[in-house]
Amino acid sequence: KAGVTQTPRYLIKTRGQQVTLSCSPISGHRSVSWYQQTPGQGLQFLFEYFSETQRNKGNFPGRFSGRQFSNSRSEMNVSTLELGDSALYLCASSLGLAGHTDTQYFGPGTRLTVL
Amino acid sequence: DQQVKQNSPSLSVQEGRISILNCDYTNSMFDYFLWYKKYPAEGPTFLISISSIKDKNEDGRFTVFLNKSAKHLSLHIVPSQPGDSAVYFCAASAFNSGNTPLVFGKGTRLSVIA
Repeated sequence: KAGVTQTPRYLIKTRGQQVTLSCSPISGHRSVSWYQQTPGQGLQFLFEYFSETQRNKGNFPGRFSGRQFSNSRSEMNVSTLELGDSALYLCASSLGLAGHTDTQYFGPGTRLTVL
Repeated sequence: DQQVKQNSPSLSVQEGRISILNCDYTNSMFDYFLWYKKYPAEGPTFLISISSIKDKNEDGRFTVFLNKSAKHLSLHIVPSQPGDSAVYFCAASAFNSGNTPLVFGKGTRLSVIA
């Protein structure tokens, strides 16, 4: 069974631009969660989608948004990029909602660098 | 306010000895806890979990202990192997409080020296 895939793996943008990251979950998984990992803050929860509906949202500004499609694939968008948005963005999928004891499977991440 | 804390950013252990990674939490509603391991250039992988109705869960070389009164959990790896060198994340959720996301700690980098 194929794992969670994320595209692109690496991305370089400049301040003020916007970016869209993509995540394809494991086949059959309906939940997709997004996390931001930075050296100082560890993994911080961005949002979770389940059956195309946002079920949870972390404490991030409105510049960060996401969506999920009917095939469970998910995208996250960051508008008006800031230097502090440079991070590893991780996507994780699970059969059910992530906080309900279902094991999450992580993708390799997208490394975003904002110059 | 950090609800899940891993106060040791790094830990070095000799091969064959025990590794003990610690995690503290502040939210008394947390009732499900997990450990993830992360190698460079890879996403975290699930290692072991424990529900608040238990105080110990074992899986091979890995054991997680939960002390609810102290709001503390620990991961024991015995014996430690060089392949265990990775960053370990502790995570928690308030499962019985409804749909809440996982909250992760900042991670502890374990180095197992041969």
